[in-house]
Amino acid sequence: KQEVTQIPAALSVPEGENLVLNCSFTDSAIYNLQWFRQDPGKGLTSLLLIQSSQREQTSGRLNASLDKSSGRSTLYIAASQPGDSATYLCAVKSNAGNMLTFGGGTRLMVKP
Amino acid sequence: GAGVSQSPSNKVTEKGKDVELRCDPISGHTALYWYRQSLGQGLEFLIYFQGNSAPDKSGLPSDRFSAERTGGSVSTLTIQRTQQEDSAVYLCASSSHLDWTSYEQYFGPGTRLTVT
Repeated sequence: KQEVTQIPAALSVPEGENLVLNCSFTDSAIYNLQWFRQDPGKGLTSLLLIQSSQREQTSGRLNASLDKSSGRSTLYIAASQPGDSATYLCAVKSNAGNMLTFGGGTRLMVKP
Repeated sequence: GAGVSQSPSNKVTEKGKDVELRCDPISGHTALYWYRQSLGQGLEFLIYFQGNSAPDKSGLPSDRFSAERTGGSVSTLTIQRTQQEDSAVYLCASSSHLDWTSYEQYFGPGTRLTVT
């Protein structure tokens, strides 16, 4: 059974810092991995999707990497801003099964 | 274009009552998913629909939970005889499976269910 873990559970940084969020998964037989953002009381916004054959994806200040063999992904946020404050979730779609398996999320606060 | 929509946004119900939650996926998306997000359990899969195939019900927590998808579009999640532990945010997502790059899931805003 796939298990996804995110570390740290919470992170507080001053504005302008570069930061890394970590995601690990137990079964490397994945189809893709998605990073989401969730604001309080809101749904999930997809940030980046990495296919199993890819090593990284970039969108603006965000860069997500994938090391399938070691079961790890990182989300790098450059020059953080207060508007980046949210919960970040990673989720994997395994080769077996149709659903996403989610990590517990990292709650990020960027202080002005 | 329009994203995934869900209704109602909030629902308060008494223990033992039945509730129906609605999801309207992105037009043209053949796959539809229901997830539940609760404080103790995080985000967990409930059920998956793909085209005319039999749904994957492997995540439904009990036989009080059921879902249907009419005409390959709108879906309704029904919870019978609600219990307090059913209180959670119910999220719907859809995706297009036209090619290998399009399994990305797009989520709706969710329905917050409170059982009193």
